[in-house]
Amino acid sequence: DTGVSQDPRHKITKRGQNVTFRCDPISEHNRLYWYRQTLGQGPEFLTYFQNEAQLEKSRLLSDRFSAERPKGSFSTLEIQRTEQGDSAMYLCASSLVPSGNEQFFGPGTRLTVL
Amino acid sequence: DAKTTQPPSMDCAEGRAANLPCNHSTISGNEYVYWYRQIHSQGPQYIIHGLKNNETNEMASLIITEDRKSSTLILPHATLRDTAVYYCIVSLIYNQGGKLIFGQGTELSVKP
Repeated sequence: DTGVSQDPRHKITKRGQNVTFRCDPISEHNRLYWYRQTLGQGPEFLTYFQNEAQLEKSRLLSDRFSAERPKGSFSTLEIQRTEQGDSAMYLCASSLVPSGNEQFFGPGTRLTVL
Repeated sequence: DAKTTQPPSMDCAEGRAANLPCNHSTISGNEYVYWYRQIHSQGPQYIIHGLKNNETNEMASLIITEDRKSSTLILPHATLRDTAVYYCIVSLIYNQGGKLIFGQGTELSVKP
């Protein structure tokens, strides 16, 4: 399968713990996006990378959130000191610019904070 | 905030065309119209996009009005597998960011 993959698919944690999610984009895709989706809502943009450079962060991305894409391939999203409000589906998408405008999404990581 | 307005839900009979409307009256000249759909518990899936002209691909057709203030996504022969939430999104071209701002979408139910 050459699509976008995310790991883990599900994560249950206790409030106050740190969690890290991984996203592997489609090979050679230079853009990588992170979104968050809560129940009944559309996905919300968090941040995106062009190769290894983080070019934009949403105001939704508080100081407890950090994202990296160290070698311009896979990316990690870390949440420190998790809160119950962080419970959501975290989605990753990749695209190849300038040749393509569409974003290809992974299956998401569902986070539950108890 | 999302720049588009869509009906919250629609029904369509299997085998018939599904026409999903979208209003984007504040769209600017350098913004594209994108359509994505999300089947339950999966990530969104790209369908089609356009700037001014009507577009067609193997999945759907996109009709954009001449003033670009509204558009319609057409699924020509809907199947049960087309049941999903459909999102109409207005977005800048990739070289100006390309992030997607999702609204609530239209929940399409295709019925036998």
